[in-house]
Amino acid sequence: NAGVTQTPKFRILKIGQSMTLQCTQDMNHNYMYWYRQDPGMGLKLIYYSVGAGITDKGEVPNGYNVSRSTTEDFPLRLELAAPSQTSVYFCASSNRQGLNRNTEAFFGQGTRLTVV
Amino acid sequence: AQSVTQLGSHVSVSEGALVLLRCNYSSSVPPYLFWYVQYPNQGLQLLLKYTSAATLVKGINGFEAEFKKSETSFHLTKPSAHMSDAAEYFCAVLRGGSYIPTFGRGTSLIVHP
Repeated sequence: NAGVTQTPKFRILKIGQSMTLQCTQDMNHNYMYWYRQDPGMGLKLIYYSVGAGITDKGEVPNGYNVSRSTTEDFPLRLELAAPSQTSVYFCASSNRQGLNRNTEAFFGQGTRLTVV
Repeated sequence: AQSVTQLGSHVSVSEGALVLLRCNYSSSVPPYLFWYVQYPNQGLQLLLKYTSAATLVKGINGFEAEFKKSETSFHLTKPSAHMSDAAEYFCAVLRGGSYIPTFGRGTSLIVHP
């Protein structure tokens, strides 16, 4: 079982470059999330999606864009990379089970991005 | 907005000692609470989650957490620490009316031989 797969694992970008972080899940989960993790700050929500074709902003969306054309894929786009976007990025997914909200999130292994 | 506060960014214990990681939540309704663990250079994985069926929740690797409504707490404990428990631990709560987890800042557990 692959679960949530993120690529690449590491990337160095120059200021102003753009890139897409890939995320795919094979659990047929309807909810997907992008978080960034900075030391001592926990995880901050960038964007989330409740299903194919539906996305919404989280706490820190500036400088990022997402799309959700299929249930499986939820790529994160950085258009003009800035040093402040140096971070570890995690994709996660979870599933709605009727009225039960007590469902956990499943995480990918993360992408470590450095902008220089 | 529902949130969690983790007291102590670092906790240091000796191998074999009790582990206590603190988490307090702010919620006006029964919360959905979780503990996750992150080993170095890995993603987060679920340790345990609160269900209203029991206030004492048992998780993987010998960890457990007790939900105390009167103290708005959901502290994580383990009777005897192992070297392999060294990791970052996150308390999380679902945002009100949603499935979206909101995380605390994390506590780094250091285990000394």
